[in-house]
Amino acid sequence: EVQLLESGGGLVQPGGSLRLSCAASGFPFISYDMNWVRQAPGKGLEWVASITDTGFRTYYADSVKGRFTISRDNSKNTIYLQINSPRAEDTAVYYCARRPAGELFDYWGQGTLVTVSS
Amino acid sequence: QSALTQPRSVSGSPGQSVTISCTGTSSDVGGYHYVSWYQQYPGKAPKLMIYDVSKWPSGVPARFSGSKSGNTASLTISGLQAEDEADYYCCSYAGNYTRVFGTGTKVTVL
Repeated sequence: EVQLLESGGGLVQPGGSLRLSCAASGFPFISYDMNWVRQAPGKGLEWVASITDTGFRTYYADSVKGRFTISRDNSKNTIYLQINSPRAEDTAVYYCARRPAGELFDYWGQGTLVTVSS
Repeated sequence: QSALTQPRSVSGSPGQSVTISCTGTSSDVGGYHYVSWYQQYPGKAPKLMIYDVSKWPSGVPARFSGSKSGNTASLTISGLQAEDEADYYCCSYAGNYTRVFGTGTKVTVL
């Protein structure tokens, strides 16, 4: 059974930093690109970042480029999202999602809430 | 990377059909055959319902169907059921390995 389990969310001050993790199981992790998608309270979904299966290439939404870093450790079946200099508008539930071949997100984690506030 | 435009809400009675539109531009919806749709219940993770405009993942009922014309994609739910009451989001590939979601539509079963 495919499982994605996010962790690391919490309260962070503007200008601080936080690292989210997403532990994967139940599938050959090294064969899949992975993504982060977020959802602000009461708002819609927003694609944040993606990383290829090898981790060699990463892509970001303009809204987080230069502040967020996606990475992965294939030996631990885990992806990460380093959030630097967060702003109030980064407050959201952050989901990790698997992207198989093609343009779709077929499995999602349960999400972890990040609150940016002083 | 502007969000795709969806109606805020649509509603229908059990057994009826409803259609949700998803309007983008030639740089996203109109430029690629890569539109997917997601169903989300409150407090839950999204679930893939349609991909590549009109394909079904395993386990999704055939009463959910997708289509596209120009810069607008659509999701149709036929034979509406109470369990279909949820939020629905479209998503399109937008070039340069980026993706964009729609604004979301709340489906209400009357």
